[in-house]
Amino acid sequence: DSGVTQTPKHLITATGQRVTLRCSPRSGDLSVYWYQQSLDQGLQFLIQYYNGEERAKGNILERFSAQQFPDLHSELNLSSLELGDSALYFCASSAGQGSSGANVLTFGAGSRLTVL
Amino acid sequence: AQKVTQAQTEISVVEKEDVTLDCVYETRDTTYYLFWYKQPPSGELVFLIRRNSFDEQNEISGRYSWNFQKSTSSFNFTITASQVVDSAVYFCALWGYGKLTFGQGTILTVHP
Repeated sequence: DSGVTQTPKHLITATGQRVTLRCSPRSGDLSVYWYQQSLDQGLQFLIQYYNGEERAKGNILERFSAQQFPDLHSELNLSSLELGDSALYFCASSAGQGSSGANVLTFGAGSRLTVL
Repeated sequence: AQKVTQAQTEISVVEKEDVTLDCVYETRDTTYYLFWYKQPPSGELVFLIRRNSFDEQNEISGRYSWNFQKSTSSFNFTITASQVVDSAVYFCALWGYGKLTFGQGTILTVHP
């Protein structure tokens, strides 16, 4: 157990729908990162939050949004879902701001999203 | 921009063979960090090692060893005397520009 908790583990939904993925970071970690893993794109960085504030943005679609709450858990919202959004979504956490690679990212087990 | 290339898509070996996973990176940063992660069939990503750009000393941890060569921008990973439990997808990653960039991964299958 990495200490990073992601729910749900599996999610099946239809095109056009909206889902929310949840992540609780490791105790003491202030940064949360979201990654998408798909067969064609590999592991892609989506977005990072540090202590409630957005710190870095990657290849995140406008249909996707995220936030980090005061208790440090984070949610990734995916809307107007398309077939191509089917993927494994990982959350990771680290102790620091993530401005340097000195912090190791600890990953959760992932949330597998299937869009039918 | 930065890029990580793992040229070997899949490797298949028989137990007890040594295997080397290649990783080549590109970055304009002078200070950067390199990582290896393992993704077993269960799906989670497990951290294996982190090296910074100033430390080219090779590292050994049990059956695992890493060879970092700045001159060739490579950070290769060797498993000695492979075991079936080593079967997984292995990712090389580079920290720079505020994010961790992953290679495409190498699928390692170790047959009994």
